Amino acid sequence: NAGVTQTPKFQVLKTGQSMTLQCAQDMNHNSMYWYRQDPGMGLRLIYYSASEGTTDKGEVPNGYNVSRLNKREFSLRLESAAPSQTSVYFCASRPGQGASYEQYFGPGTRLTVT
Amino acid sequence: AQSVSQHNHHVILSEAASLELGCNYSYGGTVNLFWYVQYPGQHLQLLLKYFSGDPLVKGIKGFEAEFIKSKFSFNLRKPSVQWSDTAEYFCAVNAQSGGYNKLIFGAGTRLAVHP
Repeated sequence: NAGVTQTPKFQVLKTGQSMTLQCAQDMNHNSMYWYRQDPGMGLRLIYYSASEGTTDKGEVPNGYNVSRLNKREFSLRLESAAPSQTSVYFCASRPGQGASYEQYFGPGTRLTVT
Repeated sequence: AQSVSQHNHHVILSEAASLELGCNYSYGGTVNLFWYVQYPGQHLQLLLKYFSGDPLVKGIKGFEAEFIKSKFSFNLRKPSVQWSDTAEYFCAVNAQSGGYNKLIFGAGTRLAVHP
């Protein structure tokens, strides 16, 4: 199993450009998440999908959209990138909604917006 | 509000020293707690988790954590650290909102272990 995979690993955008971050998991997990990691702030939840066909806003959703394409894939879109969106983005998945379930993380995408 | 506080942002230790990283949470529901580790350039990996039973939880690589309900704490410990423990450590609590479970993460503690 590859686990959780993310593409691209690195990206540089100019202000106003758009892009989509891709995430896929091969563990048959129901729930998927997108986080951003900034120094001194830990991981903040952007959007999540509790199950295929549902998506919900997390702590910092402004400027982002998501699509749960199928059970495996959960993409994050920046429609008009801003320098404040410079960050490391992590995708994660979880078997289901059980509270004791751990999350499995992808390798991350380092995004710089100039 | 649901939150996790990690009071030590940076910790520097020598090899063989003992480690304790603090974690306090604020959550009124059933508590499920996690410690994750992020080695340089890598993704987050689970160290250990508590969801019920023995409040002293043992994880991988010699780490353990103790859940103290009265103190709302879940501190991470290791008796003797190694250089390879250099990493960032995140405490997290599972929180339920709108019928869904999510993890709330602390800001992280960056540990540097010197040989």
